[in-house]
Amino acid sequence: GQQVMQIPQYQHVQEGEDFTTYCNSSTTLSNIQWYKQRPGGHPVFLIQLVKSGEVKKQKRLTFQFGEAKKNSSLHITATQTTDVGTYFCAGRRGGSNYKLTFGKGTLLTVNP
Amino acid sequence: KAGVTQTPRYLIKTRGQQVTLSCSPISGHRSVSWYQQTPGQGLQFLFEYFSETQRNKGNFPGRFSGRQFSNSRSEMNVSTLELGDSALYLCASSLKAGGTAGELFFGEGSRLTVL
Repeated sequence: GQQVMQIPQYQHVQEGEDFTTYCNSSTTLSNIQWYKQRPGGHPVFLIQLVKSGEVKKQKRLTFQFGEAKKNSSLHITATQTTDVGTYFCAGRRGGSNYKLTFGKGTLLTVNP
Repeated sequence: KAGVTQTPRYLIKTRGQQVTLSCSPISGHRSVSWYQQTPGQGLQFLFEYFSETQRNKGNFPGRFSGRQFSNSRSEMNVSTLELGDSALYLCASSLKAGGTAGELFFGEGSRLTVL
């Protein structure tokens, strides 16, 4: 079945450093979504990427979707303590098997 | 408008018992998905309902079941509970189902502990 791998599993940074998490799918995706889950909270939608090679920015966050639509990345510039949480990617295939498959997430901790 | 509401928020059961969890989606959302979240496995898809029909199902045993009512509220049931069923069960709603579903809106979750 479809697998979505996400690395690294954990990342600890000093405030002000950059952070990147990577997501790879075993199959071509129709679209990919990113979610953030704060400690003790629930996942909150960040963005959806649909087009091959797409790049979207949200303030300090930059999201990329690979040309082959099998990988994606989230980059945070100059991390802040408010960025702490687990970042999940979630890929959706086309066709009848369209369930959203989540990666296991990257837990980001930021040292002030 | 109100978000996704899940009840109960916390519950403790013993092995062999059964449990029913409830989810009320955002008003107007007709699609409800359920996920199991555990520290080791992340978010695992259980099932998705749209207009009272199960549209998709994950790889969980038959002890896990669900349904959706005409008002889009959904319930999931786990029978013959096992220790490994201890997890946070998350419900998510969206306007549409399938490949055009767009973003999911998650509830706070129901944390189940099986003793």
